[in-house]
Amino acid sequence: QLQLQESGPGLVKPSETLSLTCTVSGGSISSNSYYWGWIRQPPGKGLEWIGSIYYSGSTYYNPSLKSRVTISVDTSKNQFSLKLSSVTAADTAVYYCASQQLVVGYWGQGTLVTVSS
Amino acid sequence: DIVMTQSPDSLAVSLGERATINCKSSQSVLYSSNNKNYLAWYQQKPGQPPKLLINWASTRESGVPDRFSGSGSGTDFTLTISSLQAEDVAVYYCQQYYSTPALTFGGGTKVEIK
Repeated sequence: QLQLQESGPGLVKPSETLSLTCTVSGGSISSNSYYWGWIRQPPGKGLEWIGSIYYSGSTYYNPSLKSRVTISVDTSKNQFSLKLSSVTAADTAVYYCASQQLVVGYWGQGTLVTVSS
Repeated sequence: DIVMTQSPDSLAVSLGERATINCKSSQSVLYSSNNKNYLAWYQQKPGQPPKLLINWASTRESGVPDRFSGSGSGTDFTLTISSLQAEDVAVYYCQQYYSTPALTFGGGTKVEIK
């Protein structure tokens, strides 16, 4: 069974770049069965898909965030990563990494990232 | 983008009573080639990631109690909890995967005990 774990700073300054990594265990990130994605949830609010990457490196981004988002994969470490640039307070959220086979079958526990000076 | 709209935002139901949550998509999520609705329901409890309850609009995941049921087709969908239990207090989200890997979620419905 897949397990996913987010890691990265919990506090980012406005205008800087948020960087998170998701480590996958229990399966290979090179599997052609999954997309690997990021989903966020502002405190007390709903879920927003940020983007996904396929093992081949093909990326898919939410149009509303596309200009600021980069998702990459490191098959040697069985990890994938999120970078979100020029952050503001509106980017404060719990960030989840997830695996998708159409639906999201596996989620990380989530990590709270606060944007504040 | 496919926009998902849920109603109500919250509801309070007595233990043992029925809870009904509605979800509407801005365009059909029924894929004509296989006649499947690309619609899922998730349950999220405080401090936890969402848990997949139902996919294909009406197929329960393994281990999900049969008091949870999904129905609907095209653009209009419903999640029903037939007899609310205390452990069902949560926020419920619908999600379309017709445009996968791009996903969109409904705004969520908070279910509480009356």
